[in-house]
Amino acid sequence: NAGVTQTPKFQVLKTGQSMTLQCAQDMNHEYMSWYRQDPGMGLRLIHYSVGAGITDQGEVPNGYNVSRSTTEDFPLRLLSAAPSQTSVYFCAIRPGGTDTQYFGPGTRLTVL
Amino acid sequence: GENVEQHPSTLSVQEGDSAVIKCTYSDSASNYFPWYKQELGKRPQLIIDIRSNVGEKKDQRIAVTLNKTAKHFSLHITETQPEDSAVYFCAAGESGGSYIPTFGRGTSLIVHP
Repeated sequence: NAGVTQTPKFQVLKTGQSMTLQCAQDMNHEYMSWYRQDPGMGLRLIHYSVGAGITDQGEVPNGYNVSRSTTEDFPLRLLSAAPSQTSVYFCAIRPGGTDTQYFGPGTRLTVL
Repeated sequence: GENVEQHPSTLSVQEGDSAVIKCTYSDSASNYFPWYKQELGKRPQLIIDIRSNVGEKKDQRIAVTLNKTAKHFSLHITETQPEDSAVYFCAAGESGGSYIPTFGRGTSLIVHP
């Protein structure tokens, strides 16, 4: 699993609440990213980071914020949750010098 | 940007049959094409990949073929087994430091015993 952890595993929010999904890795990988997975939609990139202090938007960034203050952590923040953000969220890392991505175990988020 | 189309969305086969999943891509700069398998409730995991300088790659019962001219690549699973039942995703992108893959929408493969 390339040492990628995600917390929590499950979360239920009410519309308008905020929360942070955590992603951590212990192998000093520079590249980290966040995806959301919805039925029939595949994996869509939300935000990614190529190193500490550097982040960029992916395909579906609206409603999400990220920061990368350390190499180890890449949290995803929902400032005001909406039902449309109900999804399974995967964090991924990519070891330097490779193109292979390794996914974390995922967080299943439900927004009521 | 890259656009990846994946077909079929659902594939049902009998145990022992072969299964083929096809993907097309739009960006001619894409040169790295991985395939992921996702079992129910689990994370996607890489099962095989191919680069544009290779036309075919095999690993036991799975193989991937690539047609750069037509911009399509396919996953072939022979002698399917019930444990092959999963969702399979293809992806495409340009290899390198800024590699950002675009994923297909997935194929749900069901292998009936």
